[in-house]
Amino acid sequence: EDQVTQSPEALRLQEGESSSLNCSYTVSGLRGLFWYRQDPGKGPEFLFTLYSAGEEKEKERLKATLTKKESFLHITAPKPEDSATYLCAVANNAGNMLTFGGGTRLMVKP
Amino acid sequence: DVKVTQSSRYLVKRTGEKVFLECVQDMDHENMFWYRQDPGLGLRLIYFSYDVKMKEKGDIPEGYSVSREKKERFSLILESASTNQTSMYLCASRPRNTGELFFGEGSRLTVL
Repeated sequence: EDQVTQSPEALRLQEGESSSLNCSYTVSGLRGLFWYRQDPGKGPEFLFTLYSAGEEKEKERLKATLTKKESFLHITAPKPEDSATYLCAVANNAGNMLTFGGGTRLMVKP
Repeated sequence: DVKVTQSSRYLVKRTGEKVFLECVQDMDHENMFWYRQDPGLGLRLIYFSYDVKMKEKGDIPEGYSVSREKKERFSLILESASTNQTSMYLCASRPRNTGELFFGEGSRLTVL
């Protein structure tokens, strides 16, 4: 059974204080690892897909990296508008369904 | 941009009522999904559909049914709503053979 664990559950940062969010996974044949951002009361918004170990993707202040066991979402010099819950999910080669982690709630204070 | 539209952002229903949640996507995606999201439990898959008139149970299908009569529309039905179905319901779609899901804004259902 595929499993995804995100840590920490919640993270408070000061504006400009860089940090990383962790997504550890076990999957029977990784088809893809996905990062989403979710604002309160809204649906998740797709950020990145990573397919193989060593791959990296960037978007503004966010950079996602992937190893064979985990993915990191690095946030460089965050701003208050980066405050959201970040979700990680994996898809295996067998089926159609994603397995989601519990999310990390990020709060960036000015 | 992909647009997934859920018909109602907020609903309040009484126990025993029949509830319809509608979802429409405008990108001709084959696959559509219904999730519910609860604090501490994360996203849980209720049903998904990989084609018109086709449906598959997810992890928590009990108390729910779905309908997909047209490719762009996927409906979630609660035949007799109960208080434990109070939740945020999220619809998503994606093209065949890809991983990225595109979500709607969500429908927050409260059952009294």
